[in-house]
Amino acid sequence: GAGVSQSPRYKVAKRGRDVALRCDSISGHVTLYWYRQTLGQGSEVLTYSQSDAQRDKSGRPSGRFSAERPERSVSTLKIQRTEQGDSAVYLCASSLRGTTDTQYFGPGTRLTVL
Amino acid sequence: GQQLNQSPQSMFIQEGEDVSMNCTSSSIFNTWLWYKQDPGEGPVLLIALYKAGELTSNGRLTAQFGITRKDSFLNISASIPSDVGIYFCATGANNLFFGTGTRLTVIP
Repeated sequence: GAGVSQSPRYKVAKRGRDVALRCDSISGHVTLYWYRQTLGQGSEVLTYSQSDAQRDKSGRPSGRFSAERPERSVSTLKIQRTEQGDSAVYLCASSLRGTTDTQYFGPGTRLTVL
Repeated sequence: GQQLNQSPQSMFIQEGEDVSMNCTSSSIFNTWLWYKQDPGEGPVLLIALYKAGELTSNGRLTAQFGITRKDSFLNISASIPSDVGIYFCATGANNLFFGTGTRLTVIP
């Protein structure tokens, strides 16, 4: 496919467990982003990386969120010791070059922490 | 973080009516973007604005970059059922900040 894909689409996790969410970006895109979207609160960026360099812009003070980029067009968002407040839709996006280029979004992974 | 206030939060309109929504910020930005998100999908870019006062159209959609650079407006003319969805404004430099969204329902 030509678009950004994410897996799984839905994830249910018990509180305290670690989860990993995958994103396959558009081939050739350099910059890859992770956003957290909650109902009524909009979306906030968690982290982004340009090429192979990971630049963590997370505003999560506990540092439980991290992203890895094992391949140029693949990213994995890892959430450690999940909390109920982590329940949200996690969106991945990629852009062709830098951060000023148009971002193309995946369909998201809906995470529910019980 | 940045706060983008969108209004209205939701709208119920008859098919064929025009729609207006806006987005305001307490900060000045150089870019305003409007996205539409369908259920179960990610946001899709509709219109991008890069200059204060700029008015840009994309089919039945028209968006304007406010002259103060603190707001933007999106208008949809002659709405159709497939316009249903959540419309988000967004802005930012390295990272996008999204508004809280306007949920649009079009009644056939």
